Amino acid sequence: EAGVTQSPTHLIKTRGQQATLRCSPISGHTSVYWYQQALGLGLQFLLWYDEGEERNRGNFPPRFSGRQFPNYSSELNVNALELEDSALYLCASSTSGTGGSQPQHFGDGTRLSIL
Amino acid sequence: AQKITQTQPGMFVQEKEAVTLDCTYDTSDPSYGLFWYKQPSSGEMIFLIYQGSYDQQNATEGRYSLNFQKARKSANLVISASQLGDSAMYFCAMREISGSARQLTFGSGTQLTVLP
Repeated sequence: EAGVTQSPTHLIKTRGQQATLRCSPISGHTSVYWYQQALGLGLQFLLWYDEGEERNRGNFPPRFSGRQFPNYSSELNVNALELEDSALYLCASSTSGTGGSQPQHFGDGTRLSIL
Repeated sequence: AQKITQTQPGMFVQEKEAVTLDCTYDTSDPSYGLFWYKQPSSGEMIFLIYQGSYDQQNATEGRYSLNFQKARKSANLVISASQLGDSAMYFCAMREISGSARQLTFGSGTQLTVLP
């Protein structure tokens, strides 16, 4: 069974540009989560999508947005890139049961570098 | 608000010995789940073990076990018989269950180095 796949592996952009990161969840998983892992800041929750809808977002500006497609894959868009957006962006997926025991399974991440 | 604290930025352990990585948490939700993840230098996050707040027994998964002390709000990870491949960053994470949020809140991590 394929795990969570993210593309691209690396992305280099300049300030002010826009970046699009992609994620395919594990087959059967309908929830997709995005996290940012910046140096010195740990893992911060960005966005949660389930059944095509945005369910929750973390404390990030509106230039961080995304969507989930009918096949449950997801896109994270970052507009007006700033130097501080340089980070590893991790996507995770899980089943969407109401209990809390479903672990989130992570992809290998996209490393975004802003020059 | 939920909070996870990992007070050990770095730990060293000799190969084949056991090591305990500390994690304390704070939440007002009586129903929550605790998770441990391993992140090797390559970056991927690997799920290790889960403990529910109402679970009566400590969770175990192979060489990993969770020392869950609910009254003290601690959920320490114990790795037995350490191997060189265990060298990685380890994160403790929590999810509150009563509300609608499903995201994980992570601690700052512990960098474990296994010495030959």
